[in-house]
Amino acid sequence: QITLKESGPTLVKPTQTLTLTCTFSGFSLSTSGVGVGWIRQPPGKALEWLALIYWDDDKRYSPSLKSRLTITKDTSKNQVVLTMTNMDPVDTATYSCAHRRDDILTGFDYWGQGTLVTVSS
Amino acid sequence: QSVLTQPPSASGTPGQRVTISCSGSSSNIRSNTVNWYQQLPGTAPKLLIYTNNQRPSGVPDRFSGSKSGTSASLAISGLQSEDEADYYCEAWDDSLNGVVFGGGTKLTVL
Repeated sequence: QITLKESGPTLVKPTQTLTLTCTFSGFSLSTSGVGVGWIRQPPGKALEWLALIYWDDDKRYSPSLKSRLTITKDTSKNQVVLTMTNMDPVDTATYSCAHRRDDILTGFDYWGQGTLVTVSS
Repeated sequence: QSVLTQPPSASGTPGQRVTISCSGSSSNIRSNTVNWYQQLPGTAPKLLIYTNNQRPSGVPDRFSGSKSGTSASLAISGLQSEDEADYYCEAWDDSLNGVVFGGGTKLTVL
């Protein structure tokens, strides 16, 4: 079955760079149509899509955060890494990774449990 | 401000039918399919409806989705207490070249 799990720091200081890793199993990111996305949710607020990477290394970013985000994949390790630069307290949120298949339009059908990242000095 | 607009709250009594709307534009809902997610308190979102009106395996047929023009709707019939959750719509946006979510609707079962 498909599982995803996020890992990374729980606390970062303002201006620092956040690096999060999504480790998954049950699918391959080299399979046509498959993608892994990152979504965040500030406490008590709505979901916000951040970035997506596809099997063919096509990458998409939220326009409002594009300058701060980088998404990469390591197919051999079944991992997707998201980096976000210049962190600010408003970036405090639960960060989640999720699987999707755009060839059959599944939406984000499998999600990790999410990891809470707090930005504070 | 979310690209897709949802009412912040909705409510109903057990057994009732409720609908949650999601309003977008020609670059997202009109051009692409809509997905819906249910988020129970303290848990990760769960895919509820995909491709406008398809239910993943295990989702009760009390949940249904529809789309018309630049709007989409999620309907829940035979409302149950365990349906109390936040619900989000989502679609691809051709202009933004990425995924957009609605602001979420908090459903209360009275």
